[in-house]
Amino acid sequence: QQQVKQSPQSLIVQKGGIPIINCAYENTAFDYFPWYQQFPGKGPALLIAIRPDVSEKKEGRFTISFNKSAKQFSLHIMDSQPGDSATYFCAASGGSNYKLTFGKGTLLTVNP
Amino acid sequence: DAGITQSPRHKVTETGTPVTLRCHQTENHRYMYWYRQDPGHGLRLIHYSYGVKDTDKGEVSDGYSVSRSKTEDFLLTLESATSSQTSVYFCAIARTSGGQGGELFFGEGSRLTVL
Repeated sequence: QQQVKQSPQSLIVQKGGIPIINCAYENTAFDYFPWYQQFPGKGPALLIAIRPDVSEKKEGRFTISFNKSAKQFSLHIMDSQPGDSATYFCAASGGSNYKLTFGKGTLLTVNP
Repeated sequence: DAGITQSPRHKVTETGTPVTLRCHQTENHRYMYWYRQDPGHGLRLIHYSYGVKDTDKGEVSDGYSVSRSKTEDFLLTLESATSSQTSVYFCAIARTSGGQGGELFFGEGSRLTVL
């Protein structure tokens, strides 16, 4: 049972475009929703995270939108740059031990 | 930089041999995790630790064991490696201070190939 479903698997945009990556979760006990960015050969790096008490969070060009009733959350990248080309993972956790359950990832390519 | 060091970074081994991967942290965090990353599967939790000698299974724990004899080190052991365990293994720690909850930070990964 996949508890966090991520789409699309891959995404190509032009520089300046706004890629949107979507995730849906099933476990209503989840209360923490981070996004990770991963470059080839590197470990995942925490990008931005949100908790269910807010519907949106912005950090620089990255925005998380959260819809608790639909159990969905999404990542928007404003004014995307070629340097944003990477694999993005959504994740969720809840309860003790802080274990993260990950989506399968989205490979983003931003063309110059 | 979360002060996480994984070793070895690359290893090639043969089926049936034992393998141990080491994760070392410098920040004295209580929670540590081992994940594996495979194409099309994202990252999946193997085992985690919530203190010295306190460990528990994740979703893909079969064929793996772990040990944590001191706070800074978390070892992942494949008792008898199989080709299905060819993967990239990531260690993570959870920063739980500051009221932000458990933010996980990952090491650079250990690429294991089982022939």
